[in-house]
Amino acid sequence: ETGVTQTPRHLVMGMTNKKSLKCEQHLGHNAMYWYKQSAKKPLELMFVYNFKEQTENNSVPSRFSPECPNSSHLFLHLHTLQPEDSALYLCASSPPGMGLAGGGEQFFGPGTRLTVL
Amino acid sequence: GQNIDQPTEMTATEGAIVQINCTYQTSGFNGLFWYQQHAGEAPTFLSYNVLDGLEEKGRFSSFLSRSKGYSYLLLKELQMKDSASYLCASMDSNYQLIWGAGTKLIIKP
Repeated sequence: ETGVTQTPRHLVMGMTNKKSLKCEQHLGHNAMYWYKQSAKKPLELMFVYNFKEQTENNSVPSRFSPECPNSSHLFLHLHTLQPEDSALYLCASSPPGMGLAGGGEQFFGPGTRLTVL
Repeated sequence: GQNIDQPTEMTATEGAIVQINCTYQTSGFNGLFWYQQHAGEAPTFLSYNVLDGLEEKGRFSSFLSRSKGYSYLLLKELQMKDSASYLCASMDSNYQLIWGAGTKLIIKP
């Protein structure tokens, strides 16, 4: 248990569906992240929020839409996804530390395994 | 560009020692992280190096050479539970982690 939870753990959706992934942390961290993990590829940073403000958007397609209502919760809204979006989506958080983006040791949730049909 | 290189897969024997290498090229450098990820689970933090040298933590040690852009993770007295992927990540000048693809370590009895 890392203190970061994600729901759902598994999700299968069609290309026309709309779904949301949820992440929650009660570690008192100020920075939260969404990553995409595909087999045999490096973790891809998608979005970073620091004190609820989005500080990074790494050229992610608009079919992925993040939301951070408070420093403990992070959502990733999905719509009209493509089969190549199938991957493990990991949420992470980090405590106040280095730089504006929080940085430092990141605590990961277990991920949501997404399959797009 | 930014790049992290580590071997895709390694195999070692229970009780032995294994060294997983990582080379990095990032825009600026604010430290080198190693994470462990068991299949189907979250990555968990193992070590952080920002100064040259060896950091020892129980059976695991991590080494950094900033001038060479090189790090390694050393695992001693290997146990079956050490079978996992080991992720190397460099923190760049923006304090973002740039990740390698991970090294899958297979431990054989």
